[in-house]
Amino acid sequence: KAGVTQTPRYLIKTRGQQVTLSCSPISGHRSVSWYQQTPGQGLQFLFEYFSETQRNKGNFPGRFSGRQFSNSRSEMNVSTLELGDSALYLCASSMGQRDGELFFGEGSRLTVL
Amino acid sequence: DAKTTQPNSMESNEEEPVHLPCNHSTISGTDYIHWYRQLPSQGPEYVIHGLTSNVNNRMASLAIAEDRKSSTLILHRATLRDAAVYYCILRDVYQFYFGTGTSLTVIP
Repeated sequence: KAGVTQTPRYLIKTRGQQVTLSCSPISGHRSVSWYQQTPGQGLQFLFEYFSETQRNKGNFPGRFSGRQFSNSRSEMNVSTLELGDSALYLCASSMGQRDGELFFGEGSRLTVL
Repeated sequence: DAKTTQPNSMESNEEEPVHLPCNHSTISGTDYIHWYRQLPSQGPEYVIHGLTSNVNNRMASLAIAEDRKSSTLILHRATLRDAAVYYCILRDVYQFYFGTGTSLTVIP
């Protein structure tokens, strides 16, 4: 069974640009959630999509957005990049239950210069 | 404020048991307690979860205090492959709340 795939694995952008990250969940999983991981703040929840609808959202500015397609693949977009957006962005897929297991991808490492 | 509190780091000798503590004094009655671990350059991986009762699986055991304000992850025999950051997490209706994690060092 293929795991969660995130692309690209590494990318470098400059301030003011925008970026789109992609996540392909495990087959059959309908929930995709996104997390930002930084040394200072640790792992922080961005948002969760379930069956193409945003189900939950963390405390991030509107520059961070996402969507989910009918095949459960998800993208997240960050507009007007700031230096502080440099982080590892992790995607996790699951069946969507509260006691369900999350399966994480290896992440997309974003560096903003 | 963080919903969970964990020691920043712990050490264990190889093949000895490890008890990783977590405090979650503001837990609500329906929050699940999850534990994940993250190896270097990898995404977190599931270890165990529970609600009220102690839980065992092939990887670890989870001991939950009677008042649910704390829990302990127990690795029965630490191996070098268990060296990782261990996250104690609360899961409510909306999301997973990750703590800052405990970095476990296993000494050969």
